[in-house]
Amino acid sequence: KAGVTQTPRYLIKTRGQQVTLSCSPISGHRSVSWYQQTPGQGLQFLFEYFSETQRNKGNFPGRFSGRQFSNSRSEMNVSTLELGDSALYLCASSSTSGNLLEKLFFGSGTQLSVL
Amino acid sequence: AQSVTQLGSHVSVSEGALVLLRCNYSSSVPPYLFWYVQYPNQGLQLLLKYTTGATLVKGINGFEAEFKKSETSFHLTKPSAHMSDAAEYFCAVSEGSASKIIFGSGTRLSIRP
Repeated sequence: KAGVTQTPRYLIKTRGQQVTLSCSPISGHRSVSWYQQTPGQGLQFLFEYFSETQRNKGNFPGRFSGRQFSNSRSEMNVSTLELGDSALYLCASSSTSGNLLEKLFFGSGTQLSVL
Repeated sequence: AQSVTQLGSHVSVSEGALVLLRCNYSSSVPPYLFWYVQYPNQGLQLLLKYTTGATLVKGINGFEAEFKKSETSFHLTKPSAHMSDAAEYFCAVSEGSASKIIFGSGTRLSIRP
């Protein structure tokens, strides 16, 4: 069974640009969560989607958005990039039932650098 | 709102020594608690979790953690450290099956030969 796949693995953008990151969950998983990981702030929760609906949201500005498709694949978008958006963005999938107490399976992340 | 505090951003122990990584949580309801491990250039992997029942939870690779409600703690221990345990460890909390999982800031564990 394939794991959680995130693309691209690395991305370099400049300030003011926008970026879209993609996450393909494990087959059958219906919940996808996104996290931002930085050395200073650690792992911060962005949002979680279940069956195409945003079910949970973290405390990030509106420049950060996401969506989930009917096949459970998810994308997150960051508009008007700032230097502080440089981070490793991790996606995690969980569960056929939407129970987040089941194990989260993480992808290897997308490393975004904003210049 | 739930939150997690990990005491010590870096812990160093000798090979064969006891590993103790500290985690305290805050939650308005009975919490569900997790420990995840991240090896370099990889995503996180679940070590163990507490949902209900026995407060001493055993996980993979010889790790265990004890839920202590009176102390709002969920410390991670391993009796004897191995070089392969060197990694970053994250404690996390959730308030329910449909609630977001909030992670602590992480503790980097180093093992001295």
